[in-house]
Amino acid sequence: SQKIEQNSEALNIQEGKTATLTCNYTNYSPAYLQWYRQDPGRGPVFLLLIRENEKEKRKERLKVTFDTTLKQSLFHITASQPADSATYLCASGGAAGNKLTFGGGTRVLVKP
Amino acid sequence: DGGITQSPKYLFRKEGQNVTLSCEQNLNHDAMYWYRQDPGQGLRLIYYSQIVNDFQKGDIAEGYSVSREKKESFPLTVTSAQKNPTAFYLCASSTLTMNTEAFFGQGTRLTVV
Repeated sequence: SQKIEQNSEALNIQEGKTATLTCNYTNYSPAYLQWYRQDPGRGPVFLLLIRENEKEKRKERLKVTFDTTLKQSLFHITASQPADSATYLCASGGAAGNKLTFGGGTRVLVKP
Repeated sequence: DGGITQSPKYLFRKEGQNVTLSCEQNLNHDAMYWYRQDPGQGLRLIYYSQIVNDFQKGDIAEGYSVSREKKESFPLTVTSAQKNPTAFYLCASSTLTMNTEAFFGQGTRLTVV
């Protein structure tokens, strides 16, 4: 069955450093991957989308890569700030209607 | 303001009672979704709808029911058949175009005692 997995262990990082999160998928080839941010008790908010034919996408301090050979996406937060502390979710889709399959999320804690 | 609204934010029910969670959007999106999130877990799809008066089961539809009588509204009923209903429920909407993001509501935390 299709699986999309993220590192469930929380990532503690010092302010100013780069946080790198991993999303791995197995048994399928998603047409695109999306990354969302979720704060406690709130709904996820969309951050970035990367298509299977794109290697890298950037938005401000965020960068996402998509490696179809490794079946992996990396999500980077450069120059991290305490305000970046949240849970980050990876999601994949491939069918019309945007039915997304989510990973379990990785919690990031940026310490001042 | 355009957006997606879930109500209520917190809901308490006794075991054995059905309960309906509200979801309304004014984004003119065709597709709407219900997800369930358990502590420390990702989102799991319960039901989704791409058009009025039609909906499909997701991965964990047992014990839940939905309706889509209007484009703007997609209520979820958690029935007494759902064995472990306590969870955080998220509603989302999107266009039908591929490669577009989903917009989420703020969620409803349901506690069954």
